[in-house]
Amino acid sequence: QQQVKQSPQSLIVQKGGISIINCAYENTAFDYFPWYQQFPGKGPALLIAIRPDVSEKKEGRFTISFNKSAKQFSLHIMDSQPGDSATYFCAASSGGNEKLTFGTGTRLTIIP
Amino acid sequence: ETGVTQSPTHLIKTRGQQVTLRCSSQSGHNTVSWYQQALGQGPQFIFQYYREEENGRGNFPPRFSGLQFPNYSSELNVNALELDDSALYLCASSLESVNEQFFGPGTRLTVL
Repeated sequence: QQQVKQSPQSLIVQKGGISIINCAYENTAFDYFPWYQQFPGKGPALLIAIRPDVSEKKEGRFTISFNKSAKQFSLHIMDSQPGDSATYFCAASSGGNEKLTFGTGTRLTIIP
Repeated sequence: ETGVTQSPTHLIKTRGQQVTLRCSSQSGHNTVSWYQQALGQGPQFIFQYYREEENGRGNFPPRFSGLQFPNYSSELNVNALELDDSALYLCASSLESVNEQFFGPGTRLTVL
């Protein structure tokens, strides 16, 4: 019930293209869904987050789409750049300042 | 504003030894969470500290223990180290009842 499933495991996108990473969850008590970006040797950095009362949130080139009935959410990176090459993790938590349950990660590579 | 800092950066120990990892939370944050990230995996929640008390624990044995100090900094102690304890240990700080968790750069622990 605590799992968050993430796909794909790895993704290669051409510069300027759209990168899409998907996550699905089982626990209906989850009410906070962040995305983190992690570069090699660094800690995860919070990118963008959404709550289930909205279906979409956009910050710059990053957009989260959220489908409450399907228990799925996705990260879209528009106009992908080589500097976006990193590992991306979706996560979920419930009830305020609670533990984060992470997906398994997606290694994104942006090629010229 | 100072971000989350962790020390040491890297550590090498042998099986059976004990280790202490340290974390200083971001300015103004009173809650610290610890996560273990094995190579190629998402972070796994170890435990959280709030007001110097353990406030939630993941599926980790009692040889993983922690402390939080009055200045909100924290320690993670691991006794009787095992080879599988080799991982990146991440500390995240947050403000009570606010979901956003901000991670430090981590401590890379290698157990030989």
